[in-house]
Parts: sequence; C-alpha cells; structure tokens
Amino acid sequence: GAVVSQHPSRVICKSGTSVKIECRSLDFQATTMFWYRQFPKQSLMLMATSNEGSKATYEQGVEKDKFLINHASLTLSTLTVTSAHPEDSSFYICSARDSRQGLNTEAFFGQGTRLTVV
Amino acid sequence: GESVGLHLPTLSVQEGDNSIINCAYSNSASDYFIWYKQESGKGPQFIIDIRSNMDKRQGQRVTVLLNKTVKHLSLQIAATQPGDSAVYFCAENRHDYKLSFGAGTTVTVRA
Repeated sequence: GAVVSQHPSRVICKSGTSVKIECRSLDFQATTMFWYRQFPKQSLMLMATSNEGSKATYEQGVEKDKFLINHASLTLSTLTVTSAHPEDSSFYICSARDSRQGLNTEAFFGQGTRLTVV
Repeated sequence: GESVGLHLPTLSVQEGDNSIINCAYSNSASDYFIWYKQESGKGPQFIIDIRSNMDKRQGQRVTVLLNKTVKHLSLQIAATQPGDSAVYFCAENRHDYKLSFGAGTTVTVRA
C-alpha cells in the first residue's frame, strides 16, 4: 500500500522557537496533502490543506501565520509551527491521497509527530 | 454544522467475540466513507471503505454496513483479537473532498 512518512516522530522545543515537520509520500505523488491536529483522547481536527505549487487553505480558526505550510513538490509538504508555545503541544498528523486515484479515495496517513513545547 | 459522529466512546469485548462499532453521519449528500484504526501514538490506519452505491462491503474479518436511510455506518469485526484494541474512527468525505472524522470509539479486548 501507499506510504506516507512523517518526520520527526517526536520533538521537544523551547517556547518561542519554531519547529518544522515534514510529510512525504514515498511511492506516489500527492498534489494535495492534509494536516491534522489531535489532542489526547480526541478526534482528528483538520487544520489545513496543502496544495502543491500554491497557497495552503486553512480551516476556520487556524492561524495562518502560526502554522506555515509549504508544498514545494508532489511528494513533500512541510508544516512549521512558528513561535511555539506550550498550548501548541499536540499530536500533528499529515495525510495524502494519490493524485492518480482521484479525490474520492482513501487518504493515507503519516505516523504522526508528537510536539512538546517546554 | 454537518459532521460525522460515533454513538459510543468505548467498547469492551471478549476475545473471540464479534465487535460492532457504530457511526452516525449527518450529511446525506456524502458518498464515500472510510473506517480507520488508530493505535496509541500512531497515525490512523485504513481498514475499509464504502461508497454510497453500496450497502455492505467485506474485508478480512471486517464488514462495513451503510444505511443511507438513517445515515448510519457500522464496522463489524469478527473474532476480535487483542491486536484489535485501538481507537476506531469513521470518516466522511466532505463535499470538498476533505475527510471529516467522528469522535472515535475506543475498543478494548479482554483476554
């Protein structure tokens, strides 16, 4: 099956610093990738949609300047949490669909990144 | 707003028994649904999907049922095993092709 690789799996950073999370589709191309945030014992909340070669679209309530998204190639999207604060601590997950299969198909998920801001 | 939700937050099942996990959705226009399994500290893993032109779909030990009349989705796991312990989410493909997740059901398998 298709593989989505997310890196790093865990990161601890100091308050005020920025952290970059990478999401790669290893064996397929993805013109669109999705970034989710998940708090403990809660569901996945869609943060933004990453579009290759264009600006990301953000869900209502998500700060664009706080969560910078770059989708520079068909296999890589990055999420940068800028000026991180303890309340940004969470589990961040990316997903992608195979561009050749269309948009009404399963999405493959990365293994997630546990961010802890101290 | 339109969303996908789950009826029960937890389910405890004896090893070897069958499990049934339920999900209610509110968008009658949705035409594609997916069940995911998420183990602790990991990303969601695809289990099975179903399109709205079907009522039932079977996989290995899993069956998904779709009742469009009452907007209900269920996942049946046959002969539940300890490795099935996880959180299960149903997801609905929104009109803009973004996935909307339900609240999740935590399944615990008793030995």
